[in-house]
Amino acid sequence: DAGITQSPRYKITETGRQVTLMCHQTWSHSYMFWYRQDLGHGLRLIYYSAAADITDKGEVPDGYVVSRSKTENFPLTLESATRSQTSVYFCASKLGETQYFGPGTRLLVL
Amino acid sequence: RKEVEQDPGPFNVPEGATVAFNCTYSNSASQSFFWYRQDCRKEPKLLMSVYSSGNEDGRFTAQLNRASQYISLLIRDSKLSDSATYLCVVNLPRDSSYKLIFGSGTRLLVRP
Repeated sequence: DAGITQSPRYKITETGRQVTLMCHQTWSHSYMFWYRQDLGHGLRLIYYSAAADITDKGEVPDGYVVSRSKTENFPLTLESATRSQTSVYFCASKLGETQYFGPGTRLLVL
Repeated sequence: RKEVEQDPGPFNVPEGATVAFNCTYSNSASQSFFWYRQDCRKEPKLLMSVYSSGNEDGRFTAQLNRASQYISLLIRDSKLSDSATYLCVVNLPRDSSYKLIFGSGTRLLVRP
């Protein structure tokens, strides 16, 4: 039972390139979230989704795009990567009051 | 002012010690409160919810003071395996999407 998986786990890219981070859950939870974690800021919400085809902005959505055509997948795309998007990205889903996180993707933008 | 503030630490304590972490939140209408634990280079995991009456789970005790907008976590008889970063988390009030606000975390190091 994998729960939430993220791919790739590590990614190096260059400024201006498009990058897509994948998130897949096996539980069929309705809610899914994307966070970024940076030193000194804690986890900040980028986008979230209440169900398939329903997405909404979080605290720091600029430069990111999401989609949710299927309940189990919630990809995050950086349309044109910038150095400030170097971070650790966590995907999460929610059951009741608990959020369950994936293992994270470490992204370095050169 | 950050919505959720924590002392970043690190708290460096010997095995067997009792250690307490505090957290303050700015939005008085916040309704749900949690402590998450994050090991180095790993994902956060729920440690425990925090209830108004205070609650205990083994060696861990969480308390909430709504009047002071203050949450605490007490760890008794610290183990080496307790070394981690502890994240204080609150939800946004009256928000059905259940977005959470995370503190930056307090780092705990338990030494032999």
